Amino acid sequence: DAGVTQSPTHLIKTRGQQVTLRCSPKSGHDTVSWYQQALGQGPQFIFQYYEEEERQRGNFPDRFSGHQFPNYSSELNVNALLLGDSALYLCASSLSTGGAIDTQYFGPGTRLTVL
Amino acid sequence: AQKVTQAQTEISVVEKEDVTLDCVYETRDTTYYLFWYKQPPSGELVFLIRRNSFDEQNEISGRYSWNFQKSTSSFNFTITASQVVDSAVYFCALSEAGDFNKFYFGSGTKLNVKP
Repeated sequence: DAGVTQSPTHLIKTRGQQVTLRCSPKSGHDTVSWYQQALGQGPQFIFQYYEEEERQRGNFPDRFSGHQFPNYSSELNVNALLLGDSALYLCASSLSTGGAIDTQYFGPGTRLTVL
Repeated sequence: AQKVTQAQTEISVVEKEDVTLDCVYETRDTTYYLFWYKQPPSGELVFLIRRNSFDEQNEISGRYSWNFQKSTSSFNFTITASQVVDSAVYFCALSEAGDFNKFYFGSGTKLNVKP
């Protein structure tokens, strides 16, 4: 049973560039959430996708956008990169059960470094 | 305001010692879930346990046990007879029924178990 996978593992970009991170959910899951984890901090919720739409969003600027595909995989896009965007980006998947709070299972993350 | 507080930034113990990781949460919802995750150096968050607000029974799973007390808004995690493999960062998280799968994480407690 494949878990959550993310690509790439590591990424180095320069300020002002754009980046796309990818996530494949755990088999059977239909919901994908993205988190940003700065060094030494807990993960911060960016947004969640369900049925190919953004269902909920955290306190992140519009430079952060996403997409969910019909196969439930997802992308996170960040435009106009800032030094402060350097972090571990975690994808989590879950199965929406209609109202209940669903356990989220996390991938290994993508380490983004902005120079 | 911080919804989840993990006051212990780092704890060091010697193998076979018992250790308790503290978690205090804040919410106005009557329905919510609490979670514990383990993050080893590889970066992937590993799900350990979930507990809903209506179930205050303590839980034991092998060397792990959890103590949930609504009266003090705490959900503490105890590792009995710690092992070197328990070394990791541990995160407590809260999800509220009114906020649909948005997880609020604490800042984590780094546990060092020395041989």
